[in-house]
Amino acid sequence: DTGVSQDPRHKITKRGQNVTFRCDPISEHNRLYWYRQTLGQGPEFLTYFQNEAQLEKSRLLSDRFSAERPKGSFSTLEIQRTEQGDSAMYLCASSSRSRPYEQYFGPGTRLTVT
Amino acid sequence: AQKVTQAQTEISVVEKEDVTLDCVYETRDTTYYLFWYKQPPSGELVFLIRRNSFDEQNEISGRYSWNFQKSTSSFNFTITASQVVDSAVYFCALSEGNYGQNFVFGPGTRLSVLP
Repeated sequence: DTGVSQDPRHKITKRGQNVTFRCDPISEHNRLYWYRQTLGQGPEFLTYFQNEAQLEKSRLLSDRFSAERPKGSFSTLEIQRTEQGDSAMYLCASSSRSRPYEQYFGPGTRLTVT
Repeated sequence: AQKVTQAQTEISVVEKEDVTLDCVYETRDTTYYLFWYKQPPSGELVFLIRRNSFDEQNEISGRYSWNFQKSTSSFNFTITASQVVDSAVYFCALSEGNYGQNFVFGPGTRLSVLP
């Protein structure tokens, strides 16, 4: 399978714990995006990487959130001191240099904070 | 700031009926891209189509067709002869500029196709 993959698919954590999600983009894609989707809503942009550089962050991304893409391949999204409001689906997408505007999405990581 | 509106929250049709999903967008840029994505019950967003702001030609792909009208800032999506497998949430999205960032999604329209 050569699509975008995300791990884990589901995560249940207690409030106050830290969680980390991983995204592996399509191999030749240089751009990687993180989104958050809550029930009944469309995805909301969180942040975007071009290669290893984080070029844009939404104001939705509070200080408790951090994302990295150290070698320009996979990316991690960490949430520190989770809150119940962080419960959502976290989606990763990637796009290529030749078609930067066509994003291909992974299956998402569903986070439940209890 | 850009915005995407999908006024239809939920639509139900009977199989083989045609259905149109509406999308209205707002942007100040002259260069932008419009998209439709499908999110079936399995949850993974599936890319359907991209249109750039300079190409108002309508497009047909099988049972799917798209009508882009800059004059009304609309990018509507029609499914002809709907099938049960078309049941999903459909999102319209807008990206400003040349490089594909600043994606904004609409709230989605849930389509149920009944047998």
